[in-house]
Amino acid sequence: ETGVTQSPTHLIKTRGQQVTLRCSSQSGHNTVSWYQQALGQGPQFIFQYYREEENGRGNFPPRFSGLQFPNYSSELNVNALELDDSALYLCASSFFDREYEQYFGPGTRLTVT
Amino acid sequence: SQQGEEDPQALSIQEGENATMNCSYKTSINNLQWYRQNSGRGLVHLILIRSNEREKHSGRLRVTLDTSKKSSSLLITASRAADTASYFCATDGGGGYQKVTFGIGTKLQVIP
Repeated sequence: ETGVTQSPTHLIKTRGQQVTLRCSSQSGHNTVSWYQQALGQGPQFIFQYYREEENGRGNFPPRFSGLQFPNYSSELNVNALELDDSALYLCASSFFDREYEQYFGPGTRLTVT
Repeated sequence: SQQGEEDPQALSIQEGENATMNCSYKTSINNLQWYRQNSGRGLVHLILIRSNEREKHSGRLRVTLDTSKKSSSLLITASRAADTASYFCATDGGGGYQKVTFGIGTKLQVIP
């Protein structure tokens, strides 16, 4: 088991609502990356946070936003939820510029109805 | 977008047999990694191979990398029922802000 935790484990929301997912990093790691994994697909990079600022973003619209806190924990916020947002959301922590050594949390399963 | 493609997409073998999964990618890389995922939960890092390495071993795992063909393979020897999972390759160093890019995965079933 890694030291990365995520909450909640499961979440059901209605289309149009907003959701916040949380991630606590492995001790000492200063970088957090978020991924979306649709059913039957590989994880897709959403964005990365370092020093409380976004440090890279994948092909996701602005309604996907994030925060990183001084203790390196992080939040992923999604506004105006769409049915296609239903997925497993994974966070991973690492040292900066060492994403090849990232540790993943167990994920949050989001269902949008 | 997915950088890599795993092949096959699904594989079913008997316990004790070897399982081979392949991964192809599109751009130059610094490192290639293999991950395991059980039942749609978190990813577990298995092994990393750097772009200047050709083969790497870890326990029952053997990974090869051919940068000229932009491909890698993962061999699991003497498979066990507990190896049943999805396996993903991931690459980094492809440039831009994509950081780490995952393939679509191979679903392995090991039948006891």
